[in-house]
Amino acid sequence: EVQLLESGGGLVQPGGSLRLSCAASGFEFRSYGMTWVRQAPGKGLECVSEISGRGDNTYYADSVKGRFTISRDNSKNILYLQMNTLRAEDTAMYYCAKIYRGVEAHWNDYWGQGTLVTVSS
Amino acid sequence: DIQMTQSPSSLSASVGDRVTITCRASQSISKFLNWYQHKPGKAPKLLIYAASGLQSGVPSRFSGSGSGTDFTLTISGLQLEDFATYYCQQSYSDPPWTFGQGTKVEIK
Repeated sequence: EVQLLESGGGLVQPGGSLRLSCAASGFEFRSYGMTWVRQAPGKGLECVSEISGRGDNTYYADSVKGRFTISRDNSKNILYLQMNTLRAEDTAMYYCAKIYRGVEAHWNDYWGQGTLVTVSS
Repeated sequence: DIQMTQSPSSLSASVGDRVTITCRASQSISKFLNWYQHKPGKAPKLLIYAASGLQSGVPSRFSGSGSGTDFTLTISGLQLEDFATYYCQQSYSDPPWTFGQGTKVEIK
């Protein structure tokens, strides 16, 4: 059974930093790309970052580029999101999700339950 | 960037109704279109992949269609457990992929 468990969320002041983790199990972690998706209060879903299976390719939304860093430890089956220079607008539930890359299309087939990040003074 | 526009943004329906949600892409995305269901406090759930593929374990009352720029999610015979927010997502462009703004399905 595929499981994704996020942790590391909390309350942080504007300008602060936080590192999110996503522990994965039930699949060959190193073979799949992973992504972080967030949902701000009252808003829709936004994909903020993606990383390839080997960790050699990373992608970021413009809203977080230069402030967030995605990484992974394939020996521990853990995905990370280092968030620096946090802003009030980064307040959101953060989900990690597994990526399936098929011939016809690509999709996020499994999701974690999320971890809440609140940026406030 | 590819923009995804869903309509309506919300709708009220009764149990047993047929519900249709549309999603339009700002450029052609072939069949690189997925649909998710999201309930408060829960993880988003994949319903439909590649425009019309039914994810394993998802009831057959959910169906998807379309290609190019126009796509549809249909729920045939709405059930109580289907009241949720639904999102389309394009995976045609380089990541990060974009979602529609969501359609909230409420009880009439």
